[in-house]
Amino acid sequence: QQQVKQSPQSLIVQKGGISIINCAYENTAFDYFPWYQQFPGKGPALLIAIRPDVSEKKEGRFTISFNKSAKQFSLHIMDSQPGDSATYFCAAGPAYQKVTFGTGTKLQVIP
Amino acid sequence: GAGVSQSPSNKVTEKGKDVELRCDPISGHTALYWYRQSLGQGLEFLIYFQGNSAPDKSGLPSDRFSAERTGGSVSTLTIQRTQQEDSAVYLCASSLEARGLQAYEQYFGPGTRLTVT
Repeated sequence: QQQVKQSPQSLIVQKGGISIINCAYENTAFDYFPWYQQFPGKGPALLIAIRPDVSEKKEGRFTISFNKSAKQFSLHIMDSQPGDSATYFCAAGPAYQKVTFGTGTKLQVIP
Repeated sequence: GAGVSQSPSNKVTEKGKDVELRCDPISGHTALYWYRQSLGQGLEFLIYFQGNSAPDKSGLPSDRFSAERTGGSVSTLTIQRTQQEDSAVYLCASSLEARGLQAYEQYFGPGTRLTVT
């Protein structure tokens, strides 16, 4: 019940395209869903996060969509750029316990 | 201000030796977390501290792994009698608190790459 399943494992997108990464969870006690971005040789960095009381959150080119009934959430990167090439981790958890991370998606944006 | 720092950045050790990995969290952050990231894998939670206490040690893989935190600041992760399967990047993160939404706003260090030969 603590798992967060993330897909795809890797993704190649053309510059200007839309990158979509999906995550699913089982534990209905989860109520916070952050996304982290990790560049090679660096630690992950918080990118954007959502609470389940909203269905969508947008920050610049990054949007989280949340489907509470399906227990799924996704990250959309609009107008993807080569500088977005990184590994993206979704995460989830109840606000009083440890975060559970997904397995990561390696995104490559090609010119 | 300074971010989370970790040392050493790289460590090569022989199987059977003990190693110590150090983490300096962001000043004022009371919560500190250790994760392990194997090649091409996700983040595996090891342990977290709220202050100097470790409420959750459930992620430590075996009794060869231990961690401590002193003065509510620096933390050390110790691996005794290292094995080849311990080879990974060990990441440290800190947050203002380990409770509530602040627990999710974790700031990560660059990691220590451990190689056991």
